[in-house]
Amino acid sequence: EPEVTQTPSHQVTQMGQEVILRCVPISNHLYFYWYRQILGQKVEFLVSFYNNEISEKSEIFDDQFSVERPDGSNFTLKIRSTKLEDSAMYFCASSRLAGPSYEQYFGPGTRLTVT
Amino acid sequence: RKEVEQDPGPFNVPEGATVAFNCTYSNSASQSFFWYRQDCRKEPKLLMSVYSSGNEDGRFTAQLNRASQYISLLIRDSKLSDSATYLCVVKSSNSGYSTLTFGKGTMLLVSP
Repeated sequence: EPEVTQTPSHQVTQMGQEVILRCVPISNHLYFYWYRQILGQKVEFLVSFYNNEISEKSEIFDDQFSVERPDGSNFTLKIRSTKLEDSAMYFCASSRLAGPSYEQYFGPGTRLTVT
Repeated sequence: RKEVEQDPGPFNVPEGATVAFNCTYSNSASQSFFWYRQDCRKEPKLLMSVYSSGNEDGRFTAQLNRASQYISLLIRDSKLSDSATYLCVVKSSNSGYSTLTFGKGTMLLVSP
């Protein structure tokens, strides 16, 4: 069964450093998403991406964040200058199409720890 | 303003018990509703979609009341493997794009 994959599984970085989290969505999916979950908190939407551009973003997704699809398979989330409060689990998701009836499939997540 | 609200639990039940979770949502324009399951430090996984007429999948039954903006999940004959956090999720569309809004989840612990 196809699945979303993410690397690395755990990333430790120092405050102020740049990090890139990588995702490989399911191959025939067209919509890609990033969510984050701070420990003990709810899963929060960050950004959705379609046709090589951002389709929607939340207020969390400020200028420190960017997304890219550098090639035909990878989807990346970059945090330019990490802060302690960026420590969280970051989940990538993909869906075949958008709209109410299309399931979003989640990857296993990258645990980001900012020290 | 809490968009999707759930009782955090934990709900401690013995094997074989029936347990029910509730959820309320604030966005009346929400279009789709789901229950996800999340194991500790794992990704959310879709358990079932929730339809207006109510739907059942084995031991799981989901109900939706749009007028009250209320969603429920009933688990019958609980198994040890049902221990997890159950996330109420609402999908809303903005300009044709859909985003998921998650509740904080209700933790279920099933004991022998």
